[in-house]
Amino acid sequence: EAGVTQFPSHSVIEKGQTVTLRCDPISGHDNLYWYRRVMGKEIKFLLHFVKESKQDESGMPNNRFLAERTGGTYSTLKVQPAELEDSGVYFCASSHYQASRETQYFGPGTRLLVL
Amino acid sequence: AQSVTQLDSHVSVSEGTPVLLRCNYSSSYSPSLFWYVQHPNKGLQLLLKYTSAATLVKGINGFEAEFKKSETSFHLTKPSAHMSDAAEYFCVVSERGATNKLIFGTGTLLAVQP
Repeated sequence: EAGVTQFPSHSVIEKGQTVTLRCDPISGHDNLYWYRRVMGKEIKFLLHFVKESKQDESGMPNNRFLAERTGGTYSTLKVQPAELEDSGVYFCASSHYQASRETQYFGPGTRLLVL
Repeated sequence: AQSVTQLDSHVSVSEGTPVLLRCNYSSSYSPSLFWYVQHPNKGLQLLLKYTSAATLVKGINGFEAEFKKSETSFHLTKPSAHMSDAAEYFCVVSERGATNKLIFGTGTLLAVQP
């Protein structure tokens, strides 16, 4: 069974540009999460999809961030325009059931550097 | 609100000696607790999880953790460190609710000396 995959693995862009990150969850997992770790800080929740619906986007930092999950399969996270403080590692995770005991399986992350 | 505190940002041990990574949690109800590990340039991998079935939880690669409610702790241990254990370790609590989002500690970087 393939794990969670993320693309690209690294991205270097200039301030003001747009970047789109992609996450492919484990097949059959309805729950998809985005997390982020900025330099020197802890990993923090961004948002949660159940199938194609946003269940919770309370962690999204501002309206420069837009997440979608068309068809309830893969998800994209777009940052437009990117700012210096957006640099960090963006993780995607998926789980089958929606429960506190359920394991979330993480992808390798996308390392974003905004110059 | 739930939270976890990892008491050490860096831990260094010699190969073959025991590992202890400390984590305290705060929760108003019985928590679901996890330890994840991240090796350099890799993703987050689940080591083990506590979901109230047993207080001593065994994970992969010889790691285990003990849930102690009286001490609100969930420390990670391994009897004998291996060079391949060098990584960053995260203590995590799951927030109960519609989202079940994970709340991470700040991480402990484990170095293993030969």
